Amino acid sequence: NAGVTQTPKFRVLKTGQSMTLLCAQDMNHEYMYWYRQDPGMGLRLIHYSVGEGTTAKGEVPDGYNVSRLKKQNFLLGLESAAPSQTSVYFCASSYALSGTGEQYFGPGTRLTVT
Amino acid sequence: AQKVTQAQTEISVVEKEDVTLDCVYETRDTTYYLFWYKQPPSGELVFLIRRNSFDEQNEISGRYSWNFQKSTSSFNFTITASQVVDSAVYFCALSEAWSGGGADGLTFGKGTHLIIQP
Repeated sequence: NAGVTQTPKFRVLKTGQSMTLLCAQDMNHEYMYWYRQDPGMGLRLIHYSVGEGTTAKGEVPDGYNVSRLKKQNFLLGLESAAPSQTSVYFCASSYALSGTGEQYFGPGTRLTVT
Repeated sequence: AQKVTQAQTEISVVEKEDVTLDCVYETRDTTYYLFWYKQPPSGELVFLIRRNSFDEQNEISGRYSWNFQKSTSSFNFTITASQVVDSAVYFCALSEAWSGGGADGLTFGKGTHLIIQP
């Protein structure tokens, strides 16, 4: 039982490049989330999904797209990376809506955009 | 809109001292949930506690205790007899109950960096 895994762990991109971050969970959770963590800012919600095939915007969605084609996977895409997207990205999953169920976090992906 | 404030950016204490981390929240909902997470230097997020708005009982878990006061919209976290291993960034977070149209997810405070000196 791996819990929540994220791929890759580290990545350096040049401005304008694209990439996809993969989040996978093996707990059969319906709900999945992407957050970004910036120094002194705490975590902020980018996008979330309440089930396979559904996605919704969070607090800071601009510049990102997501897809949830399979229940266990939640992908975060950057179509044209910008230095402002340098951050640590955390994926989380939950068996219930965020209040009623604990969110399980992945180990994070450190992304640097130069 | 919901908001979480952790006014203490950094706290430094000597080992074995007690330390309290403050958390003040804002929400319009009567049903909501409060959380504390720990982020050690390794970077992962460790769940510590979840409390719903209808349960104001204080909770103790070993050296950790939490004081929830709706009257002051606070959910403070105390570590008794601190240890070096407690050094981490601690986040308080809030989630409002699902209303069928609002955004899901947690709203985090900016975190308090706790340094325990030997």
